[in-house]
Amino acid sequence: DADVTQTPRNRITKTGKRIMLECSQTKGHDRMYWYRQDPGLGLRLIYYSFDVKDINKGEISDGYSVSRQAQAKFSLSLESAIPNQTALYFCATGLAGDISDTQYFGPGTRLTVL
Amino acid sequence: GIQVEQSPPDLILQEGANSTLRCNFSDSVNNLQWFHQNPWGQLINLFYIPSGTKQNGRLSATTVATERYSLLYISSSQTTDSGVYFCAVDQTGANNLFFGTGTRLTVIP
Repeated sequence: DADVTQTPRNRITKTGKRIMLECSQTKGHDRMYWYRQDPGLGLRLIYYSFDVKDINKGEISDGYSVSRQAQAKFSLSLESAIPNQTALYFCATGLAGDISDTQYFGPGTRLTVL
Repeated sequence: GIQVEQSPPDLILQEGANSTLRCNFSDSVNNLQWFHQNPWGQLINLFYIPSGTKQNGRLSATTVATERYSLLYISSSQTTDSGVYFCAVDQTGANNLFFGTGTRLTVIP
């Protein structure tokens, strides 16, 4: 079983709709992250959470919100989707105190907003 | 914010060839990582290397923090090495990674 899972894997929606992307992990990590990837732009950090009560904005948080329902779950919401939010979204986890600061990525969710 | 530039943007190699990928960053960092994104989109961490040199099989990486660059070496390339290689850095100490735009590597048999 994958350590970091994302649902759905693919989603097509319409402008103005509310969308939730979910991330679950079985690694026991305290840190969780949401990134988006656009062609030619690499990955950009949307939000990150160091524990259930600690949520922080990343580089591009406008238009997004998150919820850390439990240590193992971190969801990303688009309250009113717009076409320029069409992208590949990745969830990642990490462990505080890990000297290597390695992040482990989920398989990604491809979101298309029409 | 910090700028992370990777070169070359695209690279095509014959199987068995060696290559060097470069990552330049505009400010001091306390964390630098290399990732490989395979053709199916999966991201895998290759190295955590804020300074010094590390090797893992056919891959090795060197970061010269004082000169603000890192190099990823791939020797005896294989078709499974194809994909996009990203360099990512963090200045905050909170592992908030800023990614470069990547080098797309294609290894042909």
